Formats: sequence, C-alpha cells, structure tokens
Amino acid sequence: DGGITQSPKYLFRKEGQNVTLSCEQNLNHDAMYWYRQDPGQGLRLIYYSQIVNDFQKGDIAEGYSVSREKKESFPLTVTSAQKNPTAFYLCASTNTGELFFGEGSRLTVL
Amino acid sequence: SQQGEEDPQALSIQEGENATMNCSYKTSINNLQWYRQNSGRGLVHLILIRSNEREKHSGRLRVTLDTSKKSSSLLITASRAADTASYFCATDANAGKSTFGDGTTLTVKP
Repeated sequence: DGGITQSPKYLFRKEGQNVTLSCEQNLNHDAMYWYRQDPGQGLRLIYYSQIVNDFQKGDIAEGYSVSREKKESFPLTVTSAQKNPTAFYLCASTNTGELFFGEGSRLTVL
Repeated sequence: SQQGEEDPQALSIQEGENATMNCSYKTSINNLQWYRQNSGRGLVHLILIRSNEREKHSGRLRVTLDTSKKSSSLLITASRAADTASYFCATDANAGKSTFGDGTTLTVKP
C-alpha cells in the first residue's frame, strides 16, 4: 500500500546529542514537509522541499537540518542547537495540495 | 506565524448532534483544507475548498468558505463517538506551504 512512513515512533535523546528522524514515502510525491507539534497546539512548519536536491526553511528552522537526496526520502536532523526539541514531529507529502501525513515521531529530551 | 485560528478551542456534544467549528485567517488564500487528528496520530485530510468555491460536501461533512470575511466553517452532522478528535484548518497562500491553526478539540459523548 502507498503511504508515508516515519521512524522511530518514539525517541529519547540526551541533551547535546543530534538525532535524525526518518521520513519515507512511496506515493511518488514531489513535495515533502516537516512539521512540529507541541501539546495542545497546531503544526508549525520546520522545512519543506518541493523537488529533489532543493529545500527551504519554514517558520521555525533554527536548530534543525534536512536533506533531499532522493524523491522518496526527507530526513530531519534535530541538532543540539535546538533549545527545546521535545515535541511531536510530523512528516507530510503532496502533489496536489492535499497533505498525506505519517504517524509522527515523538522526541523526548532527557 | 499562525494563519488560521479555529474557534471554539474545545467543543463537547452528545452523539447525534451536529458540530460546527470555525476558522478565520488573515491573508488571501489559494485554498483552505480541514484535517482531523486522533490523539497521538498523524493528521488525515478531510476536505479541500478552493478560493472560488463557497460550499463543499463530503458525506456528513459540510464546509463553507467566505473569502470576504476570511473565514470557513466545518459542520459535522449526526455526530458519532468515533468523530472525537482534533480538527485543524490549514490555509495555502504561498506555493504549497500550508499554515495550520491550533485546532478545535471535539468530544462526542455516547
């Protein structure tokens, strides 16, 4: 079945460590997005990519990095520069404007 | 910055009743979408309405869009306990970048 897969579902990190969240889609979508969601709040855009080998900063890109080497993959690295990384991270993709979301990755910094 | 603002923040109704939630936004848009999120899960697309449309239906869902007032509403008719979730509006004003509000949490009591 076509879909978008995020891993890991839960991740714990010590302060000062970088972590990478995986996002893979087999929907043949050109555009991919990373959002952050804090408790009781909406989604805020971290980074997005509309084509392979190109990506743009969203509203809260500081402390994060991405790559888009393949159409299917858009990994997100949460760096030690991100001061408050504990959150729920959601990846999405689209070709038509309708976003298809993964099930999310919950990152907790200990 | 959040483009969409949902109202109310929380809504509690009995099964069988209708649920109405509203979304207001600030700038001109290409389209507006509504999504549903069950607790701890990814978002699921419900309906997209374009800026030149005024009303759209999908099953028990009815969405209206008033571009002069920069607002939209989502009506869920004959609600069920399974409709319990958070509902978000997302506006697309700029090259596929969707901006989400903070959502309305709907509780449908059996």
